[in-house]
Amino acid sequence: DAMVIQNPRYQVTQFGKPVTLSCSQTLNHNVMYWYQQKSSQAPKLLFHYYDKDFNNEADTPDNFQSRRPNTSFCFLDIRSPGLGDTAMYLCATSRGGSEAEQYFGPGTRLTVT
Amino acid sequence: QQPVQSPQAVILREGEDAVINCSSSKALYSVHWYRQKHGEAPVFLMILLKGGEQMRHEKISASFNEKKQQSSLYLTASQLSYSGTYFCGTEIGFKTIFGAGTRLFVKA
Repeated sequence: DAMVIQNPRYQVTQFGKPVTLSCSQTLNHNVMYWYQQKSSQAPKLLFHYYDKDFNNEADTPDNFQSRRPNTSFCFLDIRSPGLGDTAMYLCATSRGGSEAEQYFGPGTRLTVT
Repeated sequence: QQPVQSPQAVILREGEDAVINCSSSKALYSVHWYRQKHGEAPVFLMILLKGGEQMRHEKISASFNEKKQQSSLYLTASQLSYSGTYFCGTEIGFKTIFGAGTRLFVKA
């Protein structure tokens, strides 16, 4: 059974057209993460939530926003996508704590044209 | 600060061994290892929490030298299924900072 679900799996959007990616989890984990992964690179953390506590990485562009309306769901909004935002977007969850592993969703492959 | 992984890439024949290293210029309190197959999400392999600790996942094991601020992943008698990119990660609070990855390709 899928534990971290991302929708859609593939998304094509036009330059400047807002897009929302969604993530849901059945693990009841406290922490949810959004990563951006470009081809042949490591996942780059954009932000994370510990419960409702939002933590933005210093180098995450303002163009990227996130919402977590409840424990199960988290959304990534890209307000005005640029060509450089073409990437795989990965959602992950964890219980929190130093020994907690992260469970990744399958990712959304976003293409900005 | 992003941990440094070496080598960047490895090509093996089935049955051969490999070592992937991960080091940090800052103190390491824990090290995570993940494997990502092409087109898929990263999958957790193991966490090492203490200096001197060794962990195992099937025929893959890892060690953690806290004093040297480094961890090594040992792939023994590699199988075709081991192919993928291996990431180490260091933990800061609830965040994991991933290394650039080591691409491993196992051929028959």
